[in-house]
Amino acid sequence: AQSVSQHNHHVILSEAASLELGCNYSYGGTVNLFWYVQYPGQHLQLLLKYFSGDPLVKGIKGFEAEFIKSKFSFNLRKPSVQWSDTAEYFCAVTAGSGNTPLVFGKGTRLSVIA
Amino acid sequence: DGGITQSPKYLFRKEGQNVTLSCEQNLNHDAMYWYRQDPGQGLRLIYYSQIVNDFQKGDIAEGYSVSREKKESFPLTVTSAQKNPTAFYLCASTFFGGQGYTFGSGTRLTVV
Repeated sequence: AQSVSQHNHHVILSEAASLELGCNYSYGGTVNLFWYVQYPGQHLQLLLKYFSGDPLVKGIKGFEAEFIKSKFSFNLRKPSVQWSDTAEYFCAVTAGSGNTPLVFGKGTRLSVIA
Repeated sequence: DGGITQSPKYLFRKEGQNVTLSCEQNLNHDAMYWYRQDPGQGLRLIYYSQIVNDFQKGDIAEGYSVSREKKESFPLTVTSAQKNPTAFYLCASTFFGGQGYTFGSGTRLTVV
């Protein structure tokens, strides 16, 4: 069975600081990987996704993630966070065939302070 | 516009009562999913269905039931057997092959 670990439960950063949120998955085959964001009081939004090809994926709002197959990781990065990035971030994985449900990590809450 | 509609947005239930949460999509998606979101727990899969008249249990199916009589509809019933039903419930859908998931805006269920 697939599983996803997000090691940081709550991250607090000052504006303009760099961000890296860890995500590791457990699955032996090919995978599709996703990062979702949930702003306070809003529904889930897709930040970026990886299916194949270039392991460095660029998403919306200046976010990017790097797939490192040897480390089973898909960490999310942003060079300079803004107060508006305050939200909860979820990493998710599904089998490469896409025929298994999305499995989510427990989420990382990001608080950006001025 | 195509999308997923979850209703109601807020729902209150007395202990011991069953309640049904609605999820409708007009995206012609094949597969539909129900997730439960609790603080610090992420999203956990309750049930999913990849074709009409067929569905599978997820990780936390106990106390829940579903049906998939139509491709566009996947209602979730929270039964009285669910010990801790107060949560935020999210419905999602995708084409078979699952490369683009669409999520509903959720239903917040509170047991009073």
